[in-house]
Amino acid sequence: DGGITQSPKYLFRKEGQNVTLSCEQNLNHDAMYWYRQDPGQGLRLIYYSQIVNDFQKGDIAEGYSVSREKKESFPLTVTSAQKNPTAFYLCASSSRTVLNNSPLHFGNGTRLTVT
Amino acid sequence: KNEVEQSPQNLTAQEGEFITINCSYSVGISALHWLQQHPGGGIVSLFMLSSGKKKHGRLIATINIQEKHSSLHITASHPRDSAVYICAVRARNNNDMRFGAGTRLTVKP
Repeated sequence: DGGITQSPKYLFRKEGQNVTLSCEQNLNHDAMYWYRQDPGQGLRLIYYSQIVNDFQKGDIAEGYSVSREKKESFPLTVTSAQKNPTAFYLCASSSRTVLNNSPLHFGNGTRLTVT
Repeated sequence: KNEVEQSPQNLTAQEGEFITINCSYSVGISALHWLQQHPGGGIVSLFMLSSGKKKHGRLIATINIQEKHSSLHITASHPRDSAVYICAVRARNNNDMRFGAGTRLTVKP
């Protein structure tokens, strides 16, 4: 079955540590996205990538970094510079971005708790 | 003010009731999406609309472009419909997706 796999589902870290969230897709999609979801708020875009070896900052990129070395993979690193990292993180992909009416496919999310 | 507003925030219904969730937006859009987020957190796409009305099973989505408003209806609601329903729009000017905060629906047997 094609889809997006995020791992792990739950992640716990101490303050000051970097942590990397995994996102893998086998849908052959060019575009991949990372969103953050907080209670009572809509999803907010952290980073996106339209093609391998290229990515752009979203609305809330500070304290995060990404890489896109392979089409299937778009890992997100939450660095110690992120002031409030505890949140639910969702990875998504779509077949296109500029020709925009392609639906987003989402993973099941990773809940990160930093104490 | 958020660019995408949903109402209500929370909704509790009895099994069999007709459900309506509303979405208003303030930007010009090329498409509007309705998404369903299950308790485990995964999100699935229900509808993508740019005009008119779409139906899939017991779910119906409508959009009024002039009024910048969309509704999601669920007929003969069932406890398995319990989820968070999210409205999202793709802005016409920059292709950005903007998301509502979601409506938490609980359907009781």
